[in-house]
Amino acid sequence: DVKVTQSSRYLVKRTGEKVFLECVQDMDHENMFWYRQDPGLGLRLIYFSYDVKMKEKGDIPEGYSVSREKKERFSLILESASTNQTSMYLCASSLGLYQPQHFGDGTRLSIL
Amino acid sequence: AQKITQTQPGMFVQEKEAVTLDCTYDTSDQSYGLFWYKQPSSGEMIFLIYQGSYDEQNATEGRYSLNFQKARKSANLVISASQLGDSAMYFCAMREGGNQGGKLIFGQGTELSVKP
Repeated sequence: DVKVTQSSRYLVKRTGEKVFLECVQDMDHENMFWYRQDPGLGLRLIYFSYDVKMKEKGDIPEGYSVSREKKERFSLILESASTNQTSMYLCASSLGLYQPQHFGDGTRLSIL
Repeated sequence: AQKITQTQPGMFVQEKEAVTLDCTYDTSDQSYGLFWYKQPSSGEMIFLIYQGSYDEQNATEGRYSLNFQKARKSANLVISASQLGDSAMYFCAMREGGNQGGKLIFGQGTELSVKP
């Protein structure tokens, strides 16, 4: 079975902090994705990566950056956390662009 | 314009009965994929079933089947013999062709409650 692991289920940070959300997959998948999920807005794509050191902006990249130094790991960075980034963050990976995406358990991030 | 529409914010079904969750989509691509995911209250997104636009037969996975009607642009999820553990949010999603990097577009979801 595909395993996508997110480093934290719950995280509380303060405004202005630099926040790192880590995601690791164990299936040698090429593609990795970061989404955020908000009530009434559904899931929205922040960034994705189709190869090591490659990244593409999704629909809402502002205020975020990503890093993919190794194939199995995709990090989401909040450069200077703000309260409007309080959300559920979901990482996903897929073998190919046309394969199903498999998700991690999510990180519920609160910015105070 | 919304690309994925799930018109049922919430639904109830009796245990052991079948239920259909509606999903319509909008795309001008010929090549696309349709997915259904389940999200229990614990938060994880669980992949259920996939239908490719060129697949001639409806996809099935155990108790899940996808009623794919291409001309109507609908991809309804059918859950047979509902179980209490099926209570969750269900999301329909679409991946368009082209160079979108496998990006998924999600609907707003349907909350399914299974009654004992």
